[in-house]
Amino acid sequence: LAKTTQPISMDSYEGQEVNITCSHNNIATNDYITWYQQFPSQGPRFIIQGYKTKVTNEVASLFIPADRKSSTLSLPRVSLSDTAVYYCLVGPTGGFKTIFGAGTRLFVKA
Amino acid sequence: EPEVTQTPSHQVTQMGQEVILRCVPISNHLYFYWYRQILGQKVEFLVSFYNNEISEKSEIFDDQFSVERPDGSNFTLKIRSTKLEDSAMYFCASRNRGLNWTDTQYFGPGTRLTVL
Repeated sequence: LAKTTQPISMDSYEGQEVNITCSHNNIATNDYITWYQQFPSQGPRFIIQGYKTKVTNEVASLFIPADRKSSTLSLPRVSLSDTAVYYCLVGPTGGFKTIFGAGTRLFVKA
Repeated sequence: EPEVTQTPSHQVTQMGQEVILRCVPISNHLYFYWYRQILGQKVEFLVSFYNNEISEKSEIFDDQFSVERPDGSNFTLKIRSTKLEDSAMYFCASRNRGLNWTDTQYFGPGTRLTVL
């Protein structure tokens, strides 16, 4: 499974767009990129998944450059409730082993 | 929306005792997972389970741990003889084979295990 590197923490203000970048230099051809969100004392929650280019859903966008060695999770107009830890995971879909990194702790201020 | 449930929410036990953590995955899901998270640390994969057998396990999942799907709805994690370092939040997750073969895992709320 490809190793991922993310910033340990980020601060933002309400209403701003937040971009969290994840590096995954050793991504394999059949690997997908998946982002999860975790609030304190709760289980991780799936946000978005992609393979290449751009994916958008009602919560976030995921930008993946052509070389796929990195990806950027974009959260539009964050609110205080977006304060959480965000994890970038890389691996084949349908895989049986999921490795979480340390994640990025996002703190949104008023 | 269907969700994964876990019981109990908090379990306190004495060192050396056996504990069983219970999970009810989403009903049409086929793949099941257990993770643990020590306070302040990252989520750690323990084991995955498919077709009534373990698919993958981590080095944490030693002989003290076992998993079982005793009926069509429950998925359990047993720790045979708990140690102080087993104190953590334990999360169950389940997944189905999506139309696009995505890997969305749905996590339960967790069981906080405290070993005294």
